[in-house]
Amino acid sequence: DIVMTQTPLSLAATPGQPASISCKSTQSLLHSDGRSYLYWYRQKSGQSPQLLIYEVSSRFSGVPDRFSGSGSGTDFTLYISRVEAEDVGIYYCMQGLHFPPAFGPGTKLEIK
Amino acid sequence: EVQLVQSGAEVKKPGESLKISCKVSGYRFTNYWIGWVRQMPGKGLEWMGIIFPGDSDVRYNPSFQGQITISADKSTNTAYLQWSSLKASDTAMYFCARHGYSGSKLKTYYFDYWGQGTLVAVSS
Repeated sequence: DIVMTQTPLSLAATPGQPASISCKSTQSLLHSDGRSYLYWYRQKSGQSPQLLIYEVSSRFSGVPDRFSGSGSGTDFTLYISRVEAEDVGIYYCMQGLHFPPAFGPGTKLEIK
Repeated sequence: EVQLVQSGAEVKKPGESLKISCKVSGYRFTNYWIGWVRQMPGKGLEWMGIIFPGDSDVRYNPSFQGQITISADKSTNTAYLQWSSLKASDTAMYFCARHGYSGSKLKTYYFDYWGQGTLVAVSS
């Protein structure tokens, strides 16, 4: 099975400053169709996960443009250009190419 | 508006059976795969399985195969997750979620819209 790792596992961010989370996969997530099937979710306390980014870099409906994603192959990054207080939560990457799909362990984002 | 509304919290004893539900609205139920994700207390997310309500094709994560049954009822736009004999280790929050693309062909396994979660507590 594919194993997803995330760094850091905990992040204290300053409002207005950028932040980033790294995600690595044990196998390439590049499909023969040219797309990489890597996703980012955020789960706020007591809530269900919300899709932020799909296929590495596409923002889901309603997601602010301060969120962006990049990467290829096995290495991916979620960027927040200017952290806001409402961004607190646990961020998970997920690979959706290989079966069974797998989530990373999560990165807890707190505000300084 | 896409909505997935799950059934309420359950408290059960080991060995009991349970079926939780996820009723959807706002889209054509039979056109999208719908799946289930487990979150044990204080832990991360685990992808359990997925069903295509159009033809009831089901794919289980091998880690959950044989432990759960996923089904769907087209007449009520409802997906189900069930256990025949619960264990204490089944205590968790369970989320249903809709696959991100329509159609029966699976090329990826991600979810876009999620239910609010159903808490299942199993204790003697």
